[in-house]
Amino acid sequence: DGGITQSPKYLFRKEGQNVTLSCEQNLNHDAMYWYRQDPGQGLRLIYYSQIVNDFQKGDIAEGYSVSREKKESFPLTVTSAQKNPTAFYLCASSIGMTGTGELFFGEGSRLTVL
Amino acid sequence: AQSVTQLDSQVPVFEEAPVELRCNYSSSVSVYLFWYVQYPNQGLQLLLKYLSGSTLVESINGFEAEFNKSQTSFHLRKPSVHISDTAEYFCAVSPGGYQKVTFGIGTKLQVIP
Repeated sequence: DGGITQSPKYLFRKEGQNVTLSCEQNLNHDAMYWYRQDPGQGLRLIYYSQIVNDFQKGDIAEGYSVSREKKESFPLTVTSAQKNPTAFYLCASSIGMTGTGELFFGEGSRLTVL
Repeated sequence: AQSVTQLDSQVPVFEEAPVELRCNYSSSVSVYLFWYVQYPNQGLQLLLKYLSGSTLVESINGFEAEFNKSQTSFHLRKPSVHISDTAEYFCAVSPGGYQKVTFGIGTKLQVIP
């Protein structure tokens, strides 16, 4: 089945550690996105990528980094510079240039900093 | 730029009662309109969308939404809710292509037995 796979589902981290969240899609979509979700704040865009080897900062990119070396993969690294990393992280994809903007989401990764 | 306003952060409703979740948007360009649903600890799933044509769109589980261009609204309705409809609902708009999707803050629907 086509879709988006995020891993891990749950992740615990000590302060000062970097962690990488995986996102893989087999929908052949050009565009991929990372969102952060906190209670009562909706979805906030961290980074997005429209094409391989290219990505742009979203609204809250500080303390995060991404790469897009393959069309199928868009990993997110939460660095130690992110002051409040505990959150639910959602990866999404869309067709791209010819699409309507409809997003396809993964199941999410919940990061807890201890 | 676009903005989306979901007027109610939480909506409690008794089982089998009707419900309406409100969504208003503003945009200087034409947009596509979406409703997504999120169950606890899961990602978002597309519930329904308006792209063009008939202004009333329906989902497979009984929800419907009507695009009202003059009022710039896209309210979500269901005539009779079920316990399984308890979830958070997000309204979103997009101009399409590579343009950013703008989400509302979400409405938590709590169905009371």
